[in-house]
Amino acid sequence: DIQMTQSPSSVSASVGDRVTITCRASQGFSRWLVWYQQKAGQAPKFLISAASSLQSGVPARFSGSGSGTEFTLTISSLQPEDFATYYCQQANSYPLTFGGGTKVEIK
Amino acid sequence: EVQLVESGGGLVQPGGSLRLSCAASGFTLTSYWMSWVRQAPGKGLEWVASMSQDGNEKYFVDSVRGRFTISRDNAKNSLYLQMNSLRVEDTAVYYCVRDPGPDGTGWYYFDCWGQGTLVTVSS
Repeated sequence: DIQMTQSPSSVSASVGDRVTITCRASQGFSRWLVWYQQKAGQAPKFLISAASSLQSGVPARFSGSGSGTEFTLTISSLQPEDFATYYCQQANSYPLTFGGGTKVEIK
Repeated sequence: EVQLVESGGGLVQPGGSLRLSCAASGFTLTSYWMSWVRQAPGKGLEWVASMSQDGNEKYFVDSVRGRFTISRDNAKNSLYLQMNSLRVEDTAVYYCVRDPGPDGTGWYYFDCWGQGTLVTVSS
């Protein structure tokens, strides 16, 4: 099984800050890495596929990169609506696995 | 509008059974792989089970294999999760999710999520 480890588990940031979240895989794979955003009390929302392809409607301040075992999600200028928990998920093989999540909190 | 609506959650005793339903609208269920993902209270996301568009392929996380089954009713455009021998650790919100892969190809991620249904296993 591929284990996914996210860091940090939480980050406090201010509006306008740049935030980077890292997701590391226990085994390397190409670019089959996906990112989701989950706001409190809501279902997750799909943000990015194939490590760097933004879903339609996702603001351009979100970007993803990486391949192999290390992937990153970057929010270039944090907005009030971005405070949420972010999860990575490997879409390479079953069993599908998620990272533990990164909570982006208001500083 | 693409929509998934789960139902069937509730309180059940350890060892009991529950059947979750997911009604799909805005798309035809038979064209997509479908899955269930769960989230224990205050915890992260965990993939539970997936089913191919034709029903011939099914995958389960180890912790539920042999206890849970995934199925679909094409006429009702609905997905199901039959959960037997429930354990306290199965307590979670269960989400019905769609794999966006076209023409029955599994892409192994989820572009559409239901609102979730809470399953509580407790005596």
